[in-house]
Amino acid sequence: AQSVTQLGSHVSVSEGALVLLRCNYSSSVPPYLFWYVQYPNQGLQLLLKYTTGATLVKGINGFEAEFKKSETSFHLTKPSAHMSDAAEYFCAVSDRNSGNTPLVFGKGTRLSVIA
Amino acid sequence: NAGVTQTPKFRVLKTGQSMTLLCAQDMNHEYMYWYRQDPGMGLRLIHYSVGEGTTAKGEVPDGYNVSRLKKQNFLLGLESAAPSQTSVYFCASSSIRVSYEQYFGPGTRLTVT
Repeated sequence: AQSVTQLGSHVSVSEGALVLLRCNYSSSVPPYLFWYVQYPNQGLQLLLKYTTGATLVKGINGFEAEFKKSETSFHLTKPSAHMSDAAEYFCAVSDRNSGNTPLVFGKGTRLSVIA
Repeated sequence: NAGVTQTPKFRVLKTGQSMTLLCAQDMNHEYMYWYRQDPGMGLRLIHYSVGEGTTAKGEVPDGYNVSRLKKQNFLLGLESAAPSQTSVYFCASSSIRVSYEQYFGPGTRLTVT
């Protein structure tokens, strides 16, 4: 079964600093990979996804993520943190070999941005 | 185009009471899902449906039942609520063509006392 590991349940960065949120998956066949963001008291919003093609994918709000097959990773980055980036971030995977693909989520990383 | 909507937004139940959460989508999606979100646990799949009249169990199905009588609606039922079911419940939907891309509703916050 698929599993997703997000290193660090809470990450704190200064405004303007680099944001790095880590995600590793377990399957031998690379799955579809996603990052979702959840702002307080809201639902989940898709930030970006990797399905095929270029391994560096760009998402909304200046975020990007790079798929590294050799490291089974899909880390999320943003060059310069903004106060509005404070939220919870979830990495998720979906089996690309399955016709029906429920998402498997990591446990989430809460990002705090300090002024 | 409202996307995915959930009713109600908040609910408080006493142990043993029953209730139904309603999820509706207007995107003509074939697949629908119910997740629960608990602190430090991420989102876990409760049940899902690949089409009208068809449902399947997810990771944490115990204590819940679901029904998909209409393509646009997916109901989650709690027959006898327990405090362990205190959670935030999210519904999602996706199309059969791009099944991995799920659209989420705003959530229902349920407290069982």
